[in-house]
Amino acid sequence: KNEVEQSPQNLTAQEGEFITINCSYSVGISALHWLQQHPGGGIVSLFMLSSGKKKHGRLIATINIQEKHSSLHITASHPRDSAVYICAVALIKAAGNKLTFGGGTRVLVKP
Amino acid sequence: KAGVTQTPRYLIKTRGQQVTLSCSPISGHRSVSWYQQTPGQGLQFLFEYFSETQRNKGNFPGRFSGRQFSNSRSEMNVSTLELGDSALYLCASSGASGVPGEQFFGPGTRLTVL
Repeated sequence: KNEVEQSPQNLTAQEGEFITINCSYSVGISALHWLQQHPGGGIVSLFMLSSGKKKHGRLIATINIQEKHSSLHITASHPRDSAVYICAVALIKAAGNKLTFGGGTRVLVKP
Repeated sequence: KAGVTQTPRYLIKTRGQQVTLSCSPISGHRSVSWYQQTPGQGLQFLFEYFSETQRNKGNFPGRFSGRQFSNSRSEMNVSTLELGDSALYLCASSGASGVPGEQFFGPGTRLTVL
């Protein structure tokens, strides 16, 4: 069983819809990252969370440490949000910046 | 501030050869991590260097090695290339020292092994 599981694997939405991506992990973590990867490979860090909730523009990330679960929400989705969204965790047993990744969620937003 | 740069961006090698990839972190960042991304395995951690010392290592064979220079630039080397080493290799830099910090990714080097 993978230490980090994401759902769904694929998601198609119409422009304007609210999107939720889920990430569950089975190990102790010191931080959780949400990353965005566009076609061509470049990865952008969206959020780093250790508790609570963060918001940036139309993106909201939440984490529940007790339930070992995080969600990424995209409000008023737009075609430019089409990308792969990746959840990654920094394990509490690992020093430094070693990340363990989920399998990614491929999001397609249609106009 | 300039972002993380990686060279070369694309590389084609044949089995048995070796390859060296380079990563220049954001100015002032002392942590550089390397990752491999393949369609089958997704993103996997290779190793992390901090202040010229390897701080973490993933589960890759000894053919994969790296180093970091005093200016924080890092190189990774893969010897005796195999077809399965074809992948996108990404590096990321972070300014955080002890605790996990936000990571800034480079554009990647796409390696094809024939």
